Amino acid sequence: DQQVKQNSPSLSVQEGRISILNCDYTNSMFDYFLWYKKYPAEGPTFLISISSIKDKNEDGRFTVFLNKSAKHLSLHIVPSQPGDSAVYFCAAITNKLIFGTGTLLAVQP
Amino acid sequence: DAEITQSPRHKITETGRQVTLACHQTWNHNNMFWYRQDLGHGLRLIHYSYGVQDTNKGEVSDGYSVSRSNTEDLPLTLESAASSQTSVYFCASSESRSGGYTFGSGTRLTVV
Repeated sequence: DQQVKQNSPSLSVQEGRISILNCDYTNSMFDYFLWYKKYPAEGPTFLISISSIKDKNEDGRFTVFLNKSAKHLSLHIVPSQPGDSAVYFCAAITNKLIFGTGTLLAVQP
Repeated sequence: DAEITQSPRHKITETGRQVTLACHQTWNHNNMFWYRQDLGHGLRLIHYSYGVQDTNKGEVSDGYSVSRSNTEDLPLTLESAASSQTSVYFCASSESRSGGYTFGSGTRLTVV
């Protein structure tokens, strides 16, 4: 049973435009949500997080939105850059980190 | 600088052999985790530990075991390697249970 779902395996965006990555979850007990970025042959690296009591968190070009009633969160990257091309994992936490299946973002120059 | 290292980076083994993947962290984190990454499944939790002598099963623990004899190390053992265990394995550690996981660079294991 997949508690954290990323329904889009891939996304292609033009440089300078907005990238929107989506994530859905089923467990209402999750108290933190995180986004990780992963380049090939490297481990995932933490990008941004949001507490379940908030609906928005912003860090530079990255903003995460949380809609608890819809059990949905999204990551916005504005403006997108070619260096943002990577696999993005949504994750949620109670006492351990549960990951989604990932979305491969390709930013075209 | 503190770090988390995994060894080996690549390993090829035969079906039925016992294999141990090493994970060593110098963050002095109590919490350590093992994940495997497979296409279409993302990262799935195998085992985790919240401190010395503490180990817990994750969602895909069958065929794997861990032991935690000190703070720095959480080795992952495949008791009898199977082709279904061909994967990329990531170790992670964290100071708290609410996030801030630091991952190693991964071990690519191939079982032939």
